[in-house]
Amino acid sequence: DSGVTQTPKHLITATGQRVTLRCSPRSGDLSVYWYQQSLDQGLQFLIQYYNGEERAKGNILERFSAQQFPDLHSELNLSSLELGDSALYFCASSPRLGGTDTQYFGPGTRLTVL
Amino acid sequence: AQKITQTQPGMFVQEKEAVTLDCTYDTSDQSYGLFWYKQPSSGEMIFLIYQGSYDEQNATEGRYSLNFQKARKSANLVISASQLGDSAMYFCAIIRRSNYQLIWGAGTKLIIKP
Repeated sequence: DSGVTQTPKHLITATGQRVTLRCSPRSGDLSVYWYQQSLDQGLQFLIQYYNGEERAKGNILERFSAQQFPDLHSELNLSSLELGDSALYFCASSPRLGGTDTQYFGPGTRLTVL
Repeated sequence: AQKITQTQPGMFVQEKEAVTLDCTYDTSDQSYGLFWYKQPSSGEMIFLIYQGSYDEQNATEGRYSLNFQKARKSANLVISASQLGDSAMYFCAIIRRSNYQLIWGAGTKLIIKP
């Protein structure tokens, strides 16, 4: 158990809908990262937050947004869902701003868009 | 741009044998970190081992060791005395000290035969 929690574990929804994925980092970790793992694109970094502020952005679509709250939990919002958004979404956390700190991953949320 | 190459899509290894999973990387940075993660069929992403670009000694964590050859830009994972529970996908990833995102290889599927 990495100490990072993600809910829900599975999510099935329809095209055009909006969903929210939730992540709680390890105790004491200030950085939260979101990654998408799909069959065709592999693992891709989406976005990083540190202590409530966005710090880095990767291949995140405009239909996706995220935030980190004062209690350091984070939410990833996915809207106008398409079939291609079906993937495993991971949240990871690390103690500091980044650099080479080890990122510990949550169990993931498997999103299926029908 | 940084890139990770894992040339072995899949490997079969007899239980109790040692196994080496290949990883080569491409970066123009002097300061970076290399990670190996394990993803069992259940889907979670488990941190295994880390090697910093300035670390002079190869990293070791229990049965895992990293054969780091900086000049060749190679960071192979060695698993000694393989066990059935080692069957999983294994991912190599690189991170810059100045950046916060992990760049991932395509992974190697390792199957341990009894």
